[in-house]
Amino acid sequence: QKEVEQDPGPLSVPEGAIVSLNCTYSNSAFQYFMWYRQYSRKGPELLMYTYSSGNKEDGRFTAQVDKSSKYISLFIRDSQPSDSATYLCAMSAGTGGFKTIFGAGTRLFVKA
Amino acid sequence: EPEVTQTPSHQVTQMGQEVILRCVPISNHLYFYWYRQILGQKVEFLVSFYNNEISEKSEIFDDQFSVERPDGSNFTLKIRSTKLEDSAMYFCASRGQDYGYTFGSGTRLTVV
Repeated sequence: QKEVEQDPGPLSVPEGAIVSLNCTYSNSAFQYFMWYRQYSRKGPELLMYTYSSGNKEDGRFTAQVDKSSKYISLFIRDSQPSDSATYLCAMSAGTGGFKTIFGAGTRLFVKA
Repeated sequence: EPEVTQTPSHQVTQMGQEVILRCVPISNHLYFYWYRQILGQKVEFLVSFYNNEISEKSEIFDDQFSVERPDGSNFTLKIRSTKLEDSAMYFCASRGQDYGYTFGSGTRLTVV
């Protein structure tokens, strides 16, 4: 079983839709959960981070963590064409200098 | 906004040659990382670096790889004898007290 699993997509939605992106993981030591956005041939850009279980909201973005199910989600409300990118989930146990493991990324296309 | 700067943006090298990839992390960050991303694949951890020593390294980071922080501002990744399979995008990242990384724009390494 892979340490972090993420459906690569692509996911195509109309502008204004609510987008749901998800990851599952197997390592129960993960305590820190992050979402990054990556545009083509660029470095990942941190969107949100959460510690342990719970929800966190930032503008149109909401991150959810369910540690009991080893499942994390990112919701994007009122999606825009500029949201089109690859979204990477990432997790860390906080050890090894805060070594972070990334999911494969989900490619999102938001159509105008 | 502070940035992580990587040079060069693209490097082509012959198999067996040594390459040095350079990074200038954000000045007040204390944790430094190298990741790589083979085209179409996930972002993979190579090494974490803190307090002038390696905190953790992956199985990819074998004896051909080394890192150095020679002057308190630069952070370098050296590959001693490049192989075709080292062709990838190499990302440097740094971290302050928050959980997330700030990534550079990457160096595309092509081994021919």
